[in-house]
Amino acid sequence: GAVVSQHPSRVICKSGTSVKIECRSLDFQATTMFWYRQFPKQSLMLMATSNEGSKATYEQGVEKDKFLINHASLTLSTLTVTSAHPEDSSFYICSASFGGGQPQHFGDGTRLSIL
Amino acid sequence: AQKITQTQPGMFVQEKEAVTLDCTYDTSDQSYGLFWYKQPSSGEMIFLIYQGSYDEQNATEGRYSLNFQKARKSANLVISASQLGDSAMYFCAMREGGGTASKLTFGTGTRLQVML
Repeated sequence: GAVVSQHPSRVICKSGTSVKIECRSLDFQATTMFWYRQFPKQSLMLMATSNEGSKATYEQGVEKDKFLINHASLTLSTLTVTSAHPEDSSFYICSASFGGGQPQHFGDGTRLSIL
Repeated sequence: AQKITQTQPGMFVQEKEAVTLDCTYDTSDQSYGLFWYKQPSSGEMIFLIYQGSYDEQNATEGRYSLNFQKARKSANLVISASQLGDSAMYFCAMREGGGTASKLTFGTGTRLQVML
């Protein structure tokens, strides 16, 4: 069964809206979670590393004020796309790991469409 | 330079045949991990197989095996007895250094189409 839950799976909203996406680790604690973005027919690009209890680490070129990450507990990280615009439309997917060198397990992703 | 290179944008295979998806990588780390994920059209990323840089044996998981050639820096995925449900995008990824806090770098993917 799924070990990482991501919600919502699909969002359609108007330009200027802020959208929050949740990523939960099920039955395990994840001190680190990762947020990726995937444009159509392209690969996954890491946006940021979410660290429980501390600030997220953003990849070069990712606006931290645009993509707010909060990792307030060991099982939940949230990504908020603030004042979303059509160019923010994309597939966002999170991942987490059990630890000890185990592979990252991914949520089912969120398809965001900004009109 | 690309850290992960997948040179095959698309591959076709006949049902029940085996297929090899290529992946080469570039790293100066001694400790690293190589992963293959499957992404169906629905979008989820499904973990298939893992190979650690210090593993001497090639990894196998059911119909999936990883042909790890360290000197050539290649980690090809072999799918045996292909099934229609194997049609999907396949991504090779690398984790440099140890620990789960290390991020993954993905290749551009290979779209596999299994034919009747």
